[in-house]
Order: sequence, then structure tokens, then C-alpha cells
Amino acid sequence: DVKVTQSSRYLVKRTGEKVFLECVQDMDHENMFWYRQDPGLGLRLIYFSYDVKMKEKGDIPEGYSVSREKKERFSLILESASTNQTSMYLCASTRDTNTGELFFGEGSRLTVL
Amino acid sequence: QKEVEQDPGPLSVPEGAIVSLNCTYSNSAFQYFMWYRQYSRKGPELLMYTYSSGNKEDGRFTAQVDKSSKYISLFIRDSQPSDSATYLCAMQTSYGQNFVFGPGTRLSVLP
Repeated sequence: DVKVTQSSRYLVKRTGEKVFLECVQDMDHENMFWYRQDPGLGLRLIYFSYDVKMKEKGDIPEGYSVSREKKERFSLILESASTNQTSMYLCASTRDTNTGELFFGEGSRLTVL
Repeated sequence: QKEVEQDPGPLSVPEGAIVSLNCTYSNSAFQYFMWYRQYSRKGPELLMYTYSSGNKEDGRFTAQVDKSSKYISLFIRDSQPSDSATYLCAMQTSYGQNFVFGPGTRLSVLP
């Protein structure tokens, strides 16, 4: 059974804290993505990675960074969390971006106070 | 104008009804069209995938793409309470790696 695992389902952090969201996939996929999901706005791409140590900015990269040191792991980092980063964060992976099939994790709901 | 528009609902229907979910889009370069289903507190999962225009059927689900009108639809026949979820349309150009998602329509099928 294919799996994308997000380490934290629920987090509460304070403004200014550094936040790490981790994602691990067991499907040997080259491509990994971080999205945030907000009501009425849908999924918006923060960053994606098509190979180890490679990363590309998505539509809303400001305030975020990513790390991909190993193929199976893609981390999202909030250097200094702000209240407007309160959201649901979804990690996804795919072997081939032209198949349309993204495999998603269950999400990490982050609240920044 | 948003790149992909979708009525957020919520949409409530009785069990057994035919459900029609729709998205419109503005980018004529979109070639790949997808529908994802997202249950509460879960990540989205791919339901249907179509390339370019036409229809695709899978069991109770039918996806339609009308590129001339920039309009895609998902039909659910004989809807079941287990179909209650948020349905997200997604699109992709032939050259891009990014998937562009609609905001999702929340569907409730009442027993």
C-alpha cells in the first residue's frame, strides 16, 4: 500500500517560532510537493522538488523554505511562523507529473498563535 | 479572475440522486484534467483523470471535458452517503509540472 506520511497531524506554535513539517514517501517517487489548503482558496503550491537537493518555488513560497536531502523525505520549514501561516499543509508525491496522480499525505494542521 | 473556479457548495442531495459537479477555467493551455476526492481530515485522492476533451466513465463516475467552453464536469450516478466528501478539480498544462486546483465543492449525500 503506497504511503505518504506527514509526521505531525496537529501543531500549535507561537509567532516567531521555527516550524518543521516533515513528509516521507515510500514509493521511490522523484517528485514531491508541498501545498497549503485554505477554505475558498483550494490547494496552493508552496514548493516542489523533482530530485534530491533540487527545489522549485511554487505560487506562494514567501515565508517558507524546503529541504530534500534524501529522495524519500521532503521537509517544509517556516523560519519565523506568523499567524497568516495558520493553515492545513499537504505533502504529495508522484513518479510522473504527467499521469495526473498525486499521492497525498493526511495533512498537517498548523495553528500559529 | 481565478485560474480555476468551482462552486464551493455545500451541496446536499438525497441518496440515489445524480450529482453534477463543475469547474470552469481560464487557461487554454490546460491539457490534463483531474478530479480528486477529499474526505474530512484526509488528504485528497485521485478519482478521475482525463486528457484533453471528451468523456471518461468509471463505474458510477463520469468525467467530461469541454475545452471549447473551458468547462469540466464530474457526474456521480446513484449517489451514496459514502460519496459525501469535498471534490476538487485540478488541471495541468502539457509542459508544466504544477497542478492547479479549484477550491473544492463540499458534497453531502443524505440517507
